[in-house]
Amino acid sequence: DTGVSQDPRHKITKRGQNVTFRCDPISEHNRLYWYRQTLGQGPEFLTYFQNEAQLEKSRLLSDRFSAERPKGSFSTLEIQRTEQGDSAMYLCASSADRPFVETQYFGPGTRLLVL
Amino acid sequence: TQLLEQSPQFLSIQEGENLTVYCNSSSVFSSLQWYRQEPGEGPVLLVTVVTGGEVKKLKRLTFQFGDARKDSSLHITAAQPGDTGLYLCAGAIRDDKIIFGKGTRLHILP
Repeated sequence: DTGVSQDPRHKITKRGQNVTFRCDPISEHNRLYWYRQTLGQGPEFLTYFQNEAQLEKSRLLSDRFSAERPKGSFSTLEIQRTEQGDSAMYLCASSADRPFVETQYFGPGTRLLVL
Repeated sequence: TQLLEQSPQFLSIQEGENLTVYCNSSSVFSSLQWYRQEPGEGPVLLVTVVTGGEVKKLKRLTFQFGDARKDSSLHITAAQPGDTGLYLCAGAIRDDKIIFGKGTRLHILP
């Protein structure tokens, strides 16, 4: 399978714990995006990378959130001191410069539940 | 605030009927994407439209991009239960700024 993969698919944690999610983009895609999606909403942008550089972060991304893409391949999203409001589906997407850089391909998501 | 509004929010119709869902904004987009998402899964790309007035067909699905590149529609002919899902449109303000609508939740009754 050469699509975007995410791990884990589901995560249940207690409030205050740290969690880390991983995303492996399509191999030739240089852009990688993180989104959060809650019930009844479309995906909300969190941050994106071009290769290893993190180029934009949303105001939704509080200080407890950090994302990395150390070698320009896979990426991790860490949430520290989780809160119940962090419960959501976390989606990763990747895109290539051609034919349309705006066309993003999504992974299956990581569903987080904070108790 | 840039908003992308989708309508209707919910639609439940009988198998075999036709339907159209809409995606509207006051912003001009360089491109617009339509995705379908099933529960517990990530969105799956259906189409990208780029040129104002462009029409693309994918089997029973017809996508149209408005002439001014501010709106789009998705028309489904002879809907089938397999078409059930959340249909999301996403507009590109610039190549690294994509906004999503809240989606139209479609349910096709057998």
